[in-house]
Amino acid sequence: DIVMTQSPLSLPVSPGETALISCRSSQSLLYRNGYNYVGWYLQKAGQSPQLLIYLGSNRPSGVPDRFSGSGSGTAFTLKISRVEAEDVGVYYCMQTLQPPNTFGQGTKLEMK
Amino acid sequence: QVQLQQWGAGLLKPSETLSLTCAVYGGSFSNYRWAWIRQPPGKGLEWIGEINHSTSADYNPSLKSRVSISLDTSKNQFSLNLTSVTAADTAVYYCARRLAVTTPPPLDGLDVWGQGTTVTVSS
Repeated sequence: DIVMTQSPLSLPVSPGETALISCRSSQSLLYRNGYNYVGWYLQKAGQSPQLLIYLGSNRPSGVPDRFSGSGSGTAFTLKISRVEAEDVGVYYCMQTLQPPNTFGQGTKLEMK
Repeated sequence: QVQLQQWGAGLLKPSETLSLTCAVYGGSFSNYRWAWIRQPPGKGLEWIGEINHSTSADYNPSLKSRVSISLDTSKNQFSLNLTSVTAADTAVYYCARRLAVTTPPPLDGLDVWGQGTTVTVSS
């Protein structure tokens, strides 16, 4: 199984600051088509997860452009610019390159 | 707008079979895979498995001997069965739609989720 390791596990930030979450995979997620099969999700308290980023750096419609994804191979980063109170929750990375698809442990973002 | 509505028994005894169903409203089955994910209390997300419209399924090896996912396109539903449950299977179970477009530009990701079903296994 591909192991996904996130850091930090807890991230206190002040409104307006930039938050960075790292995700590392135990093997490359770069597929032969040139895309990295990693996504980022946010789970707010009491809610189902929601997709923020797919294929490493692509944002679905409706996701604010404050959220951006980068990286390739085995190292990936989710950047949240100008953090707002509504961004609080647990962020997960997930690989879909090969089954079993696997998630990172989660990073809890909270307001200072 | 596509919505997923899921249901099933919320309280099971050890050794019973967990059965959940997820109905798809407002969308088709082609170009997608249909997934189940679970989340034990206070813990992270675990992928259980997924199936495509051709009924080809992949499962988490940790559950493979006990799990099956099926698709009923006539009813726009897909289902999860997990046999011989134990307390370790207590979790919130989510159904989700996974984009699965491989032609350029590719699309991927679990873009629509059900509301979640809390399943408790207790004697």
